[in-house]
Formats: sequence, structure tokens, C-alpha cells
Amino acid sequence: SQQGEEDPQALSIQEGENATMNCSYKTSINNLQWYRQNSGRGLVHLILIRSNEREKHSGRLRVTLDTSKKSSSLLITASRAADTASYFCARGEDAGGTSYGKLTFGQGTILTVHP
Amino acid sequence: DAGITQSPRHKVTETGTPVTLRCHQTENHRYMYWYRQDPGHGLRLIHYSYGVKDTDKGEVSDGYSVSRSKTEDFLLTLESATSSQTSVYFCAISESVGTDTQYFGPGTRLTVL
Repeated sequence: SQQGEEDPQALSIQEGENATMNCSYKTSINNLQWYRQNSGRGLVHLILIRSNEREKHSGRLRVTLDTSKKSSSLLITASRAADTASYFCARGEDAGGTSYGKLTFGQGTILTVHP
Repeated sequence: DAGITQSPRHKVTETGTPVTLRCHQTENHRYMYWYRQDPGHGLRLIHYSYGVKDTDKGEVSDGYSVSRSKTEDFLLTLESATSSQTSVYFCAISESVGTDTQYFGPGTRLTVL
């Protein structure tokens, strides 16, 4: 399988703490994306980082990408109970510039934030 | 939310029957995708479309076919449903290859008895 591996599979923290989720992959990428899924809902795009970028911020989210280690991390700062969800990394294929936008998803991290 | 709807939202069917799931978008996006989501497997790509009448296979395409006769509609057909196809099916759309962000529909929960 060329799916990304996510770590940890589950994370339980208290409100106000930071949450860090990691994603590793095996093949070269065009970009890496993070998505969030609330229970029973579809996925929502959070952030995209391209292979030539090392760090990106969006509100309380910080994503890093290390292409030499083939890994990425998502940091959620000052977590809230409403951040409780599953988080997925998705690897955007590097196919000579004609990837048609295909993504390969990891198995996800279940984040629980206790009030 | 992006203008993506899926129908039906829930379906229970019996083994051997044909099933068609519909994805409809109002965003005029070129690219459309069908995924299935199962515990322990994350999301896996079944088929995708890069234009009207242009489709290709994904990671888990066996037992599934698709059609796209209009920009806004992407149909997923299970010709003869099996219990292993019990899953939650998500449709996604993307505006361009360069953007690569995908927007997901609400999902269809399919149970094959």
C-alpha cells in the first residue's frame, strides 16, 4: 500500500493543550494535505502544503513538511472541545505534473479534546 | 459547504442487486472522485473523472463502474452488490490539478445484506 501512515491512531487531551499528529509516506509527493472529519460527516479540507514548502500556518493550525524524512506534522494549538474529530493526511501524487489531483489518504488520527 | 450532494444518503440492499449512487455538484468543477471509507482503511479511491466521459480507475475499482455524461453528475454503479461493498461512499470534487484541494459530499451509507 502507498497509503500514508498516521501516528498516533488516537489522541486524548484536555482543552487548552496542544495536539500534534504525524504523517509519514513512502513515495515522492506534489503536496500534502490535512483534512478533518466530524463523526458522520464528510471530510473538510484544512490546509495544503506543497513539496517545496517547509511550514505553513492557518489560524491555530501549523503544518510542517520534511521531504527528506517523508513526513509531515499537524499541530493544533490551544485545542477546544469542538476540535474533537478525526484528522487525515492525504498525499498528493507527483506524477510528472499530470497527477489529476489524486490523493492517497492515511488511516487518520482520532482526536478527543475533553472540556 | 461546496455545492455537492449525494443520493441516496442511506441504502440497504441485498447481495446480487445492482446499485447506483449519484453525486451532483453545482460548482462546475472538472474533477470528480468516488471514495469508500472503511474502518482501518481510511479513504480509498474507487474511480475518478477528469472531464465529461473521461474516467479512470483508482485503487479499489473491482466491482464498480462509473459514468459521467454531464459536468455536474458522477454516477457510481455496483453491478452486483456484495457484502464486502458495505461501506460509506464519499464523492469529492476538485477545481483544478494545480489547486488539488478536494471538497467532499456528505456521504452515502450502503449496507449490502
